[in-house]
Amino acid sequence: RKEVEQDPGPFNVPEGATVAFNCTYSNSASQSFFWYRQDCRKEPKLLMSVYSSGNEDGRFTAQLNRASQYISLLIRDSKLSDSATYLCVVNRSYNDYKLSFGAGTTVTVRA
Amino acid sequence: DTAVSQTPKYLVTQMGNDKSIKCEQNLGHDTMYWYKQDSKKFLKIMFSYNNKELIINETVPNRFSPKSPDKAHLNLHINSLELGDSAVYFCASSQGGASGANVLTFGAGSRLTVL
Repeated sequence: RKEVEQDPGPFNVPEGATVAFNCTYSNSASQSFFWYRQDCRKEPKLLMSVYSSGNEDGRFTAQLNRASQYISLLIRDSKLSDSATYLCVVNRSYNDYKLSFGAGTTVTVRA
Repeated sequence: DTAVSQTPKYLVTQMGNDKSIKCEQNLGHDTMYWYKQDSKKFLKIMFSYNNKELIINETVPNRFSPKSPDKAHLNLHINSLELGDSAVYFCASSQGGASGANVLTFGAGSRLTVL
């Protein structure tokens, strides 16, 4: 079983819509969780960390469910510029240099 | 001024050749990494150096040899290239100790195609 699994999508949504997707992780001892964003043929960039109580950053909301071992990302009021691949990233412990990346969920926002 | 820069951006070469990719960061970070992203889009860590010391060496063929002359540079040399080495190789850096490794700054990637 892969350490981090994501629905590859694509999620095709109209501008202004809400889109949400999950990521599951296999190691119950994992400590740190993140969403990175990767545009087509570009490098990944940190979008946001995911905290235990859930957190928001503008139109983006991240949630963590430790019991079911998944994290989620919700994008409200989608913009064309949100079109990208969203990578779920998990760290086995807070002090570990090795991050585990999911293969990504592709979101396409259409006009 | 680019924070993490890697060269070349594109590399097309024949099987059996030897090639190098260079990476430099001007962020003052202590830790640098090489990641490989294959056609299935998984990003897998290959190597990491902290202050010029090798700290991560994943199960990578020994045809791949990293070198860090100083903490701002991490190069990757690949011998006897194989078709399966075709991928995008990303250099990255992070600040401070292991806890800082959660926030990576990536270079733009080097797309290697082996024919």
